[in-house]
Amino acid sequence: GAVVSQHPSRVICKSGTSVKIECRSLDFQATTMFWYRQFPKQSLMLMATSNEGSKATYEQGVEKDKFLINHASLTLSTLTVTSAHPEDSSFYICSAGGGLAQYFGPGTRLTVL
Amino acid sequence: AQSVTQPDIHITVSEGASLELRCNYSYGATPYLFWYVQSPGQGLQLLLKYFSGDTLVQGIKGFEAEFKRSQSSFNLRKPSVHWSDAAEYFCAVGAEEYGNKLVFGAGTILRVKS
Repeated sequence: GAVVSQHPSRVICKSGTSVKIECRSLDFQATTMFWYRQFPKQSLMLMATSNEGSKATYEQGVEKDKFLINHASLTLSTLTVTSAHPEDSSFYICSAGGGLAQYFGPGTRLTVL
Repeated sequence: AQSVTQPDIHITVSEGASLELRCNYSYGATPYLFWYVQSPGQGLQLLLKYFSGDTLVQGIKGFEAEFKRSQSSFNLRKPSVHWSDAAEYFCAVGAEEYGNKLVFGAGTILRVKS
């Protein structure tokens, strides 16, 4: 149980385009999902908390207009990186809350050329 | 401010040897503590968690961790390391008071030599 999936696993895009990443909880409902970003050889940094049916809460320094989060159902949250630039290249990981424990997706490697 | 310190960036142990990965935290609330493992290019897998009760917690893959409130520590241990344990290990802290958001340590890369 407690499986979280992400799609796509890898994406390469051109600078200026937008990319959507999906995060799904497969066998449980998650009112809260979290989006993290991980740069090479670094730890995970929380970007935002996604709440089903309401606006996401962004961490300080994260541009909400650049990283659009939608949590339209209890099993799906999406992160859209708008007008992506090379500095947005990173590993994006989502997690879904099962109470206090969080279960992580396998991550999405975004490369912006 | 909440923070998690993993003082060892890299650790190398021989297969079959014991392992201890250190984690210290600074948190302004009752902490819930976690250890996650990440293989290269993969997401995070939960090894174990501590919420309350017995301060020695058992996890998957033969790992255990001990919560020591007086030392603000939550060190991860394994009595005999296997080559497949080579990965990066992250300690994380959360609390209901902070909306269950997790703060992660910088990670410790474990190398296992045969």
